[in-house]
Amino acid sequence: KNQVEQSPQSLIILEGKNCTLQCNYTVSPFSNLRWYKQDTGRGPVSLTIMTFSENTKSNGRYTATLDADTKQSSLHITASQLSDSASYICVVSALGGYGGSQGNLIFGKGTKLSVKP
Amino acid sequence: DSGVTQTPKHLITATGQRVTLRCSPRSGDLSVYWYQQSLDQGLQFLIQYYNGEERAKGNILERFSAQQFPDLHSELNLSSLELGDSALYFCASGTGTGRPGELFFGEGSRLTVL
Repeated sequence: KNQVEQSPQSLIILEGKNCTLQCNYTVSPFSNLRWYKQDTGRGPVSLTIMTFSENTKSNGRYTATLDADTKQSSLHITASQLSDSASYICVVSALGGYGGSQGNLIFGKGTKLSVKP
Repeated sequence: DSGVTQTPKHLITATGQRVTLRCSPRSGDLSVYWYQQSLDQGLQFLIQYYNGEERAKGNILERFSAQQFPDLHSELNLSSLELGDSALYFCASGTGTGRPGELFFGEGSRLTVL
């Protein structure tokens, strides 16, 4: 069964500190993996998208890594800011079916990050 | 701004009523996806349309229905509303072709059923 597990479920850190969020998946065959940031009550916004051949991708202070062999991804946030407080959602796409079909998108439940001053 | 427009932003109604949520996708996107997010829960996929046709169905209740019109905007109809239907409803759009590409989410419609 295709699944995406995220950890931790929630995390509290102090402003300026770094943190790493984890995403493990059992999706096969793998197409790509995305990280989204969702502010409370707002729509998710894409941070990164990685395909099988990409090991790391950065977007400002956000760096995502992907290990397709172990089926693990991480999102590292450097020098956290209060505005980083949000839920971070890992979404994995499976190959097969019609391209773009939601049937191929598997969502994690998200990690809720709180950055305190 | 994702380019995806959802209306209304907020909606308060009573149990048993019917409401319609509207979504305009990004220019050029043929695919529209609907999601439900209850308080402190993850995104639950409801349904996807591609160029006017239903493409995939998730855990959508029979009381809910959707359609995508020729101009590609989509509507999600929720009927016989129950208290548990109170949630944020998100629409996302994408190209819907080739490999699953990036989804662009709207700001959501917050439905409160009293």
